Amino acid sequence: KNEVEQSPQNLTAQEGEFITINCSYSVGISALHWLQQHPGGGIVSLFMLSSGKKKHGRLIATINIQEKHSSLHITASHPRDSAVYICAAYGGSQGNLIFGKGTKLSVKP
Amino acid sequence: GAGVSQSPSNKVTEKGKDVELRCDPISGHTALYWYRQSLGQGLEFLIYFQGNSAPDKSGLPSDRFSAERTGGSVSTLTIQRTQQEDSAVYLCASSLQGLSTEAFFGQGTRLTVV
Repeated sequence: KNEVEQSPQNLTAQEGEFITINCSYSVGISALHWLQQHPGGGIVSLFMLSSGKKKHGRLIATINIQEKHSSLHITASHPRDSAVYICAAYGGSQGNLIFGKGTKLSVKP
Repeated sequence: GAGVSQSPSNKVTEKGKDVELRCDPISGHTALYWYRQSLGQGLEFLIYFQGNSAPDKSGLPSDRFSAERTGGSVSTLTIQRTQQEDSAVYLCASSLQGLSTEAFFGQGTRLTVV
């Protein structure tokens, strides 16, 4: 079992739909990162969370430390949101992130 | 600089040759990370620098891989005697003080070993 699990693996949505991507982790963490990777490979950091909820534009990220679960929500989805969304956990004791396998999102017009 | 800069953006090399990949982190960021993403695979941790030292080299896949960081800034990832399985996108990231602070990623170097 991977230490960081994401669901769904693939997601197709219609423009305007509300989207939720889930991330569950089995390790103790001090921070959780949500990353966005567009075709061509560039990665952008969306959020870094250690508790609660953060919002940036149409993106909302939440984390429940007790349940070891985080969600990324996209409101009013748009085709330009099409990308791979990656959840990554930082355990604190090493310098590395433990990555989920990513969720490939495709938003159709 | 404004962001994390990696060079070259693309590199095609013959099997058996050595390659050097460069990462220029955001100015002032003490932590620097190298990751690898093979085709169709997720991201894989390679090595982490705090300043010039590398407290965690656990992800380097073989002794053909080495990395250094000088002056607490630029880092070079060297792959000796490249093999076809080394073909991947190599990503560098930096953060202010470690992964409890936000990480910023470069655009990556796409390495193809032929």
